[in-house]
Amino acid sequence: NAGVTQTPKFQVLKTGQSMTLQCAQDMNHEYMSWYRQDPGMGLRLIHYSVGAGITDQGEVPNGYNVSRSTTEDFPLRLLSAAPSQTSVYFCASSYSGQGVNQPQHFGDGTRLSIL
Amino acid sequence: GESVGLHLPTLSVQEGDNSIINCAYSNSASDYFIWYKQESGKGPQFIIDIRSNMDKRQGQRVTVLLNKTVKHLSLQIAATQPGDSAVYFCAENNAGNMLTFGGGTRLMVKP
Repeated sequence: NAGVTQTPKFQVLKTGQSMTLQCAQDMNHEYMSWYRQDPGMGLRLIHYSVGAGITDQGEVPNGYNVSRSTTEDFPLRLLSAAPSQTSVYFCASSYSGQGVNQPQHFGDGTRLSIL
Repeated sequence: GESVGLHLPTLSVQEGDNSIINCAYSNSASDYFIWYKQESGKGPQFIIDIRSNMDKRQGQRVTVLLNKTVKHLSLQIAATQPGDSAVYFCAENNAGNMLTFGGGTRLMVKP
């Protein structure tokens, strides 16, 4: 059981480039989310999804797009990378996102640098 | 907006002692709280959770206390071990499943 898998683990981009961070989970979780973690800080929610075909914005959604075509996958797209998006990105999943409180399971992150 | 915060950014304890990590939250509507442990280069790992209808919950070597009157959450680790060295985050779930994280406390265990 792999849990939450994120790829790539590291990436360097130039300003203005676009890319997609991949996230997959094999636990049949309905809820998936993306966070960013800046140095010395906690995690901030970017986007989340409560099920296939449903996505919503979190605290810091600007500059990012998401889609949820399957239960397993929740990719995060950077449309035009900016240095302010240099961060560590974490994907997480849990059983349900409809008001049911469950601990989220996190991947090991993608470390992204924008030059 | 409302946020979850921590009193101590760094906590240094002797191996074998008990550790207490504190967290203050400001959203009185929050009904679920979680503690995560994050080791260097890894994602947050779930430690223990507590719902707002409880005051205390115990796990293996860990205890979480919730004081709703003063909006305070604490994580107690018994007989702290070197493997407990990490950054600890509290988080609150106040909107369906949108976690709000605190800034984190680094726990350093001295041998």
